Parts: sequence; structure tokens; C-alpha cells
Amino acid sequence: GESVGLHLPTLSVQEGDNSIINCAYSNSASDYFIWYKQESGKGPQFIIDIRSNMDKRQGQRVTVLLNKTVKHLSLQIAATQPGDSAVYFCAEGDYDKVIFGPGTSLSVIP
Amino acid sequence: GAGVSQSPSNKVTEKGKDVELRCDPISGHTALYWYRQSLGQGLEFLIYFQGNSAPDKSGLPSDRFSAERTGGSVSTLTIQRTQQEDSAVYLCASSLWSRQLVTQYFGPGTRLTVL
Repeated sequence: GESVGLHLPTLSVQEGDNSIINCAYSNSASDYFIWYKQESGKGPQFIIDIRSNMDKRQGQRVTVLLNKTVKHLSLQIAATQPGDSAVYFCAEGDYDKVIFGPGTSLSVIP
Repeated sequence: GAGVSQSPSNKVTEKGKDVELRCDPISGHTALYWYRQSLGQGLEFLIYFQGNSAPDKSGLPSDRFSAERTGGSVSTLTIQRTQQEDSAVYLCASSLWSRQLVTQYFGPGTRLTVL
């Protein structure tokens, strides 16, 4: 079946370094991709999204890259801070259903 | 508040008991979703409501699970005859208009523990 998965289940980065979280998806028909951040004890929070007609989108300290050729999505966090420590989920969307990947835990080393 | 709220925040119950979990979506949001998240796992879709349309129940794991949404606003997820494997965090999300692929806003979740 179709699925969304992450290459790395855990990631540790030094404070101030850039973080890159990767995601592979299998449904080439997906039109919408989202990154969510989930801090401990909280629900997921929207970070950034990108539609399939784009290959890059930037937000505040975050950039999402979409490579449709290899069905790969990545989230780049610039100058990672302790507050960035969380689980990050990628998700693919097709109209009213969003399928979430298993998540990557990001730990920031002070 | 302006966000999605859920109650209770924690629920401990005994195996075989029924539980009801409540979700108050953001006012004006027409779409409402329930997900289940086991410890250290991703989000498992359960059910989706959109306006007055029939809900998408394709994610419900068994007939012990049901949900309703009254008046297009508040939703209740009911689990009958709870089992230990039902222990998880149950998350609710709402969005303004699902057909536009808009962002889902999540509540804090209800942590259910079945003893």
C-alpha cells in the first residue's frame, strides 16, 4: 500500500547547526505535503507546507524541498535551537485525507 | 480559547469499560478529524467529518469505536468495551475547508490508559 516514511528515526544536532530531516513518500499522485512539529505532551503543530507544483518553499528558519522525481521531501532548519527539539512528521495530502509518516525525533545538543 | 480543545486530558479506565472523548474544534471549521497515536508512533487516522456529509469511518479499527459530531461542531469519540491495546493518545484536529488542502489544527490530545 501507499505510505509515507522517514529515513532517520532520530537525529541529534549541535545547537546552531543546520538540521535536515528527510522523508520518502510513495504516492506520486499526492498534491500536498506538510511538515508538523510535535513537542512532548502536545498535539502536532503545522510548520510549513508545499504543493506538488513547487520544489522549494521557505519559512522562518525552515525550508521544505520537494523532489518529485525521487519522491523525496526534506525539512531544513537553520541555526537549530533547543526549542526545535521535538518529533517532526511529514505528511502527504490528497484533498481531505492526510497520511502521516512515523516521525523523526530531533534532539538539539546545547 | 481560539484553538482546538479536548477533554479530558487524561483518562484511566478499566478493561471492558466504555469511554467518551470530547473534541471542540475551532469555531467555523467545517472539517474534523480523529487520530490515534501510540507511544513513540505516528498518527493513525480514525475518522473524518466534513459538514453534513457522511463521515469517513475507514480508519476505525473495530466496531467498538464510533464517533459523532453534533450540530457540525463538537465531536465525541466513543470506545466501547475498552481493551489494553486501546491505550494511546487520541488527537482531534479541525480545518477550515478540507477540499482546499488546508492545514489541520490539532488539539492537545486525550491520553487514554486502559488497565
